[in-house]
Amino acid sequence: EAGVTQFPSHSVIEKGQTVTLRCDPISGHDNLYWYRRVMGKEIKFLLHFVKESKQDESGMPNNRFLAERTGGTYSTLKVQPAELEDSGVYFCASSQVVQRVIDTQYFGPGTRLTVL
Amino acid sequence: AQSVTQLGSHVSVSEGALVLLRCNYSSSVPPYLFWYVQYPNQGLQLLLKYTSAATLVKGINGFEAEFKKSETSFHLTKPSAHMSDAAEYFCAVSFSGGYNKLIFGAGTRLAVHP
Repeated sequence: EAGVTQFPSHSVIEKGQTVTLRCDPISGHDNLYWYRRVMGKEIKFLLHFVKESKQDESGMPNNRFLAERTGGTYSTLKVQPAELEDSGVYFCASSQVVQRVIDTQYFGPGTRLTVL
Repeated sequence: AQSVTQLGSHVSVSEGALVLLRCNYSSSVPPYLFWYVQYPNQGLQLLLKYTSAATLVKGINGFEAEFKKSETSFHLTKPSAHMSDAAEYFCAVSFSGGYNKLIFGAGTRLAVHP
């Protein structure tokens, strides 16, 4: 079974440009999460989808970030326009069962975003 | 508010020595606790999790952790370090009603030397 995949693995862009990150969860997983790790600090929650609906987007830093999950499958995270402080590693995770707190979240390898 | 503190951003041990990575949490409600490991160029992998059953939890690769409510701790241990254990380790907490959102510590990078 394929794990969580993320694309691209690395992205280098100029300040003010737009970048779109993609996450493909494990097939059949209804829960999809985005996290971010900035400059060696702790990994922080961004948002949570249940199927195609946003369950919790309390961690989204500002309105320059837009997350979508088309048809409850893959998800995209768009940053527009990118700022220097957006640099970091963006992780996606998925889990199988809705509203069971103990379900394991499976993480992708992350996308390393560098904004110059 | 819930939070996680990992003492020591870098830990170095000799091969064959005890590994002890410290994690303390703050939570106003009963927590669920996790340890994840990240090897170079890979995603986070679950080592073990505490879900209010046994307080001593055994995970993969010989790791275990003990939940101590009185100390609000969930330290990770392994009796004998192996070179392949070199990685970054993350402690995380979630809680009932939190919709599975994980709150992470800052991570501890473990180095194992011969």
